[in-house]
Amino acid sequence: DAMVIQNPRYQVTQFGKPVTLSCSQTLNHNVMYWYQQKSSQAPKLLFHYYDKDFNNEADTPDNFQSRRPNTSFCFLDIRSPGLGDAAMYLCATSTLTSGPEETQYFGPGTRLLVL
Amino acid sequence: AQKITQTQPGMFVQEKEAVTLDCTYDTSDQSYGLFWYKQPSSGEMIFLIYQGSYDEQNATEGRYSLNFQKARKSANLVISASQLGDSAMYFCAMRERGFQKLVFGTGTRLLVSP
Repeated sequence: DAMVIQNPRYQVTQFGKPVTLSCSQTLNHNVMYWYQQKSSQAPKLLFHYYDKDFNNEADTPDNFQSRRPNTSFCFLDIRSPGLGDAAMYLCATSTLTSGPEETQYFGPGTRLLVL
Repeated sequence: AQKITQTQPGMFVQEKEAVTLDCTYDTSDQSYGLFWYKQPSSGEMIFLIYQGSYDEQNATEGRYSLNFQKARKSANLVISASQLGDSAMYFCAMRERGFQKLVFGTGTRLLVSP
């Protein structure tokens, strides 16, 4: 089945220690997104890639970076995690179109804990 | 600017009954897409149903239907014949045309009781 995969599902890191979360997709979608979702809140878009074009949200901290080496994979790098970065990180994909095909499909998420 | 409003922080329903989750939106765009997602305690965001702003018919997907009232800017989700597995957080979201961003409401937590 075509899907969005995130690894790891749970990640524990230490305050200030860089961490990388990964996302892969078999849907062949040209857009990939990273969302941050804190407890009891709605997901918040950090950035997205349209093919290789990177689009950062204005309020995304510089501490968050992303890489997309190919269509299938996208990485979220947190350079120096703080306690406030503990959250669920959701990866999603979509096509660049309108209509039902614009639906974003999400992976299972990675829960990040910062000690 | 866009805004999605979900006024029901929590809803309770008995198994096999229908339930309506409210969503209103605010946009100056004429062309937009509306979505509902389900998020169980595991955390995954599961796509349920889509409604395009130009769609004249209300969207339906199995037990899910979207009551789309464009003039009122509302897009309520109706779940028929609730099941215990429907207990989850439900998010309404909208996408601006020409932008890739999904804007989410604050969510409604649904609890289905036996």
